[in-house]
Amino acid sequence: DSGVTQTPKHLITATGQRVTLRCSPRSGDLSVYWYQQSLDQGLQFLIQYYNGEERAKGNILERFSAQQFPDLHSELNLSSLELGDSALYFCASSVGLHLLGGYNEQFFGPGTRLTVL
Amino acid sequence: SQELEQSPQSLIVQEGKNLTINCTSSKTLYGLYWYKQKYGEGLIFLMMLQKGGEEKSHEKITAKLDEKKQQSSLHITASQPSHAGIYLCGAGPNAGGTSYGKLTFGQGTILTVHP
Repeated sequence: DSGVTQTPKHLITATGQRVTLRCSPRSGDLSVYWYQQSLDQGLQFLIQYYNGEERAKGNILERFSAQQFPDLHSELNLSSLELGDSALYFCASSVGLHLLGGYNEQFFGPGTRLTVL
Repeated sequence: SQELEQSPQSLIVQEGKNLTINCTSSKTLYGLYWYKQKYGEGLIFLMMLQKGGEEKSHEKITAKLDEKKQQSSLHITASQPSHAGIYLCGAGPNAGGTSYGKLTFGQGTILTVHP
């Protein structure tokens, strides 16, 4: 158990709908990252928040948005869902902002499996 | 952008055999992470390497970062069925880059260990 929690575990919805994925980081971790894993694209970085502020953006679609709240939990909002959005969505957390240096490993949650029908 | 290529893509070994998985980068590596994933589950952190020539071990798994810092290898000694899963390498941002905590991942190596 990494200490990162994600809800829900599974989500089945229809095209055009909007869903919210939730992540609670490990206690003491200030950075939260979101990743998408699909068979054709592999594991792709979406976005990073550090202490409530967006810090890095990857291949995140405009239909997707995220935020980190004062209690450090984060939510990933996916709207106007398409079949191709079906994937595993992972949240990860780390202590600091940067990857380099000690004790900044990213610890991953169990993921949310999104199925768009 | 940085790309990571893992080889082999899949590996089937008999229990007790040694094996090696490689991760090659298109650019110099400034931080290389190894993770293990059970199918459909989260990633488990294994090791992180930063310095050229660095080598780390955890139980029967050893990871190395070569001197030129463009390749890393993961070696499993006396493999067991519990080692089965998907092994992913991830690279951190280049020195001086502003990509903060973004990790770029290889496509993964699927390891099967037959008892």
